[in-house]
Amino acid sequence: DGGITQSPKYLFRKEGQNVTLSCEQNLNHDAMYWYRQDPGQGLRLIYYSQIVNDFQKGDIAEGYSVSREKKESFPLTVTSAQKNPTAFYLCASSTSSYEQYFGPGTRLTVT
Amino acid sequence: SQQGEEDPQALSIQEGENATMNCSYKTSINNLQWYRQNSGRGLVHLILIRSNEREKHSGRLRVTLDTSKKSSSLLITASRAADTASYFCATDRWRDDKIIFGKGTRLHILP
Repeated sequence: DGGITQSPKYLFRKEGQNVTLSCEQNLNHDAMYWYRQDPGQGLRLIYYSQIVNDFQKGDIAEGYSVSREKKESFPLTVTSAQKNPTAFYLCASSTSSYEQYFGPGTRLTVT
Repeated sequence: SQQGEEDPQALSIQEGENATMNCSYKTSINNLQWYRQNSGRGLVHLILIRSNEREKHSGRLRVTLDTSKKSSSLLITASRAADTASYFCATDRWRDDKIIFGKGTRLHILP
């Protein structure tokens, strides 16, 4: 069964703590993306990676970090420097024509 | 940076009626895509239309693209309760590795 998995589905953290969101794909896609979605809003790009060991900042990268050590995995760390981290986070991978396949999302709540 | 903008922001129609959503964008594009998102879930790819295409069909979906007006429309015919969701357009530009999403149209199908 091919697809993208994100874990956990819900995540709660105290302010000041770093937290890492998992994203794994078995679609053999080179490109992977992290988006943030706030209530009633569209998706904003945090980071993306076109190839292993390489990634680029998106529109709202401040306070986030990523790694791409394996083709299948693209974890996102939300650091304590992110001012307003509570949001719905979506991971995606894409074909060469940019058709994107999304995971189910992780809802992060920071209190 | 927001490239696409959907219109209307919200739409309620009776089951069986047709639903039309529009997307306008600012700069020249390579492809335009439409995605659906059910509440609290990841996005699902619906259809991709290339900049040299004017119309595309997929089941009950019909997408048109007018590059001179920088706009696209998504028509869902014979709507069903299961079509209740948010719909997003997304564009990519030539030699750009990312796609940019609009804020979406919330569609509600009334029984």
